Amino acid sequence: KAGVTQTPRYLIKTRGQQVTLSCSPISGHRSVSWYQQTPGQGLQFLFEYFSETQRNKGNFPGRFSGRQFSNSRSEMNVSTLELGDSALYLCATQAGEYTDTQYFGPGTRLTVL
Amino acid sequence: AQKVTQAQTEISVVEKEDVTLDCVYETRDTTYYLFWYKQPPSGELVFLIRRNSFDEQNEISGRYSWNFQKSTSSFNFTITASQVVDSAVYFCALSEAGSGGGADGLTFGKGTHLIIQP
Repeated sequence: KAGVTQTPRYLIKTRGQQVTLSCSPISGHRSVSWYQQTPGQGLQFLFEYFSETQRNKGNFPGRFSGRQFSNSRSEMNVSTLELGDSALYLCATQAGEYTDTQYFGPGTRLTVL
Repeated sequence: AQKVTQAQTEISVVEKEDVTLDCVYETRDTTYYLFWYKQPPSGELVFLIRRNSFDEQNEISGRYSWNFQKSTSSFNFTITASQVVDSAVYFCALSEAGSGGGADGLTFGKGTHLIIQP
């Protein structure tokens, strides 16, 4: 089975721009979660999508949004980028229940200049 | 609110030594899941083990073993006869049911950077 894939792997943007990251889950996985990893804050949960609906949400501003398509692929969007948004963005997928293991993709490294 | 504490920021040992990574968690739920992930320099989080709150049996997988104790809210990870390839950052994480169903996100500890010197 193919693993979780994320594109692009690296991005460089400037302040004020917006960015869209993509995540393709493991076949059969219907839940996609997004995490931000920074040296200061560590790994933090952004949101989770299941069956094209946001099911759970972390404590991030509205500039961070996402969506999920009918094939379970998910995109995450960050608008009006700030320097502090520079981070590794990780996507994790699971079959559907919170009891299931989350498997992570390789991440997208976003640098905001 | 849930919380995971990994008090050891960095551990450095010489190859073939045994090493234990500590994890202490806090939760009000009676049903929850605990995980360990490994993050090599490439950045991807690699799943190692999952434990549910009702199963306190210790587990061994090759050189890896895990000790789950609800009485002390701890889920420690031991690597026996460490190897250079074990060098990575190791994260302990907690999962609870989300209010909307599904997982309310994994709550991660800050991670322990393990350095195995040859």
